Amino acid sequence: EVQLVQSGTEVKKPGESLKISCKGSGYSLTTYWIAWVRQMPGKGLESMGIIYPSDSDTTYSPSFQGQVTISADKSISTAYLQWSSLKASDTAIYYCARKTPSDVFDIWGQGTMVTVSS
Amino acid sequence: SSELTQDPAVSVALGQTVRITCQGDSLRSYYASWYQQKPGQAPVVVIYDKDNRPSGIPDRFSGSRSGNTASLTITGAQAEDEADYYCNSRDSSGNHVVFGGGTKLSVL
Repeated sequence: EVQLVQSGTEVKKPGESLKISCKGSGYSLTTYWIAWVRQMPGKGLESMGIIYPSDSDTTYSPSFQGQVTISADKSISTAYLQWSSLKASDTAIYYCARKTPSDVFDIWGQGTMVTVSS
Repeated sequence: SSELTQDPAVSVALGQTVRITCQGDSLRSYYASWYQQKPGQAPVVVIYDKDNRPSGIPDRFSGSRSGNTASLTITGAQAEDEADYYCNSRDSSGNHVVFGGGTKLSVL
């Protein structure tokens, strides 16, 4: 079964760092792009950026450039999303998704809830 | 604001047909995909590449495009179709994938 499994719920304080993960199985992570998608409480989906795990080629959506870092370790079929200094406004559910060449997000992880509160 | 515009909310009577639209200049060049999201769940793709359905998606879901508008049509809406629906495609620069703001579908 093709699936993406994400790391668990995180509760952090403002200013802390965080790295969440997305592990692929049932297919080769190096043959598809992986996208990260934010969903703030009660809001819609926002595409944050994409990474090609085979060579770590990464493109950030303009709103997220400089705010997060997307990376991958193809040896363990895992993509990552990280923050160096969290803000309360980073509170959201973060999804990873497999992106096909025609920009279809066909497989989604279960989501990682991140809460940032003092 | 998103470069893909969707109506915030649409309602349909049980068993009737409803069309959910997504407008944007990029849709003249790129197809939209459509995602269904139910409360507490991850999104699921229901239509891709204009009018293709993944396996397991009922054939009451269909897609189309005209000019700068992509549409998702549900023919004979069921109670289980009540959900949020999002379109996605490229932005006007063609460099990034973006989502529409989402449409909350109520089945009455």
